[in-house]
Amino acid sequence: KAGVTQTPRYLIKTRGQQVTLSCSPISGHRSVSWYQQTPGQGLQFLFEYFSETQRNKGNFPGRFSGRQFSNSRSEMNVSTLELGDSALYLCASSLADSAGELFFGEGSRLTVL
Amino acid sequence: SQQGEEDPQALSIQEGENATMNCSYKTSINNLQWYRQNSGRGLVHLILIRSNEREKHSGRLRVTLDTSKKSSSLLITASRAADTASYFCATEESNYQLIWGAGTKLIIKP
Repeated sequence: KAGVTQTPRYLIKTRGQQVTLSCSPISGHRSVSWYQQTPGQGLQFLFEYFSETQRNKGNFPGRFSGRQFSNSRSEMNVSTLELGDSALYLCASSLADSAGELFFGEGSRLTVL
Repeated sequence: SQQGEEDPQALSIQEGENATMNCSYKTSINNLQWYRQNSGRGLVHLILIRSNEREKHSGRLRVTLDTSKKSSSLLITASRAADTASYFCATEESNYQLIWGAGTKLIIKP
């Protein structure tokens, strides 16, 4: 069974641009969560989608948005990029209705110049 | 703060020794999970312990949970170089949201 796939793995953007990251969960998993990881702030929860609905949301500004499609694939978008958005963005999927065990992708490393 | 607390922040031990790391949290939980992350990679689930469990084993891993103290510990016995990684605890709250600790960086010296 294929794992969680995130694309792209690495990307470089400049301030003011926008970026879209993609996550394909494990087949059959209906919940997808997104996290931002930085050396200073650790693992920060962005949002969680379950069956195309945003179920939980972290404390990030409105520049960060996401969505989930009917096939459970998810995208997150960051608009008007700032230097502080440089981070590893991790996607995780789970089978259970509750959080349960999360299966993480390898992440998308975003560098904002 | 969204994060729980883990200690120590960093731990360096000799191969073959045991490693213990701790996690404290603030509210009542459904379960507590431990994850491992190798440098710059995704996290890997290690073990889940439910709120009504006190101890759980998986291979060389032993996890304890003390809900009265709102704390958990992860013990890795007979450490190996491949255990070098960061270890995170995550608590599942009643709304199913996971709250993450800041992580413990474990270095196993050969």
